[in-house]
Amino acid sequence: AQSVTQLDSQVPVFEEAPVELRCNYSSSVSVYLFWYVQYPNQGLQLLLKYLSGSTLVKGINGFEAEFNKSQTSFHLRKPSVHISDTAEYFCAVSQGGSEKLVFGKGTKLTVNP
Amino acid sequence: DGGITQSPKYLFRKEGQNVTLSCEQNLNHDAMYWYRQDPGQGLRLIYYSQIVNDFQKGDIAEGYSVSREKKESFPLTVTSAQKNPTAFYLCASSIRGRYSPLHFGNGTRLTVT
Repeated sequence: AQSVTQLDSQVPVFEEAPVELRCNYSSSVSVYLFWYVQYPNQGLQLLLKYLSGSTLVKGINGFEAEFNKSQTSFHLRKPSVHISDTAEYFCAVSQGGSEKLVFGKGTKLTVNP
Repeated sequence: DGGITQSPKYLFRKEGQNVTLSCEQNLNHDAMYWYRQDPGQGLRLIYYSQIVNDFQKGDIAEGYSVSREKKESFPLTVTSAQKNPTAFYLCASSIRGRYSPLHFGNGTRLTVT
């Protein structure tokens, strides 16, 4: 079965610093990859998705992610974070013919002034 | 505006009582999902439905039941058989297809004492 590993449960950074949130998945067979963001006591919002094509995907709020098939990774990056980026971030994978998404356990990003 | 409405936002019940969580969408999506979120556990799939009058168990369906009588509605009942029902419950919907992103409601926080 497909699994998703988010390597860091918490990431503290200072405002305007760059950040990378790491995500690895278990299978390289025909996957579709997503990053979602969750603000406190809210649902999840889609940040970006990789379906095919260019391995560098740009999303909302200045975030981007790079699909690396050989390393089965889909790390999320932002060159300069804001206080408002404080939230929990989830990586998710849909494999092959499945319509179900498998989610990682989440990474809490805290941006400090 | 189109979206997903979950109600109520907070729900309190006594142990041994069944409780039903509401989820309504006006996005005209065929597929709907229920996830459970616990701190540090990510999202776990309870049930999903791809068309009206049909639904499938997810990874943690025991102690839960659903119905899908209308395209717009996918209520979740947490029964007294669910051993640990206190959690944050998220409903989502999508266009059918394995690369379709999920749209989430804002969740219902259920507390059972």
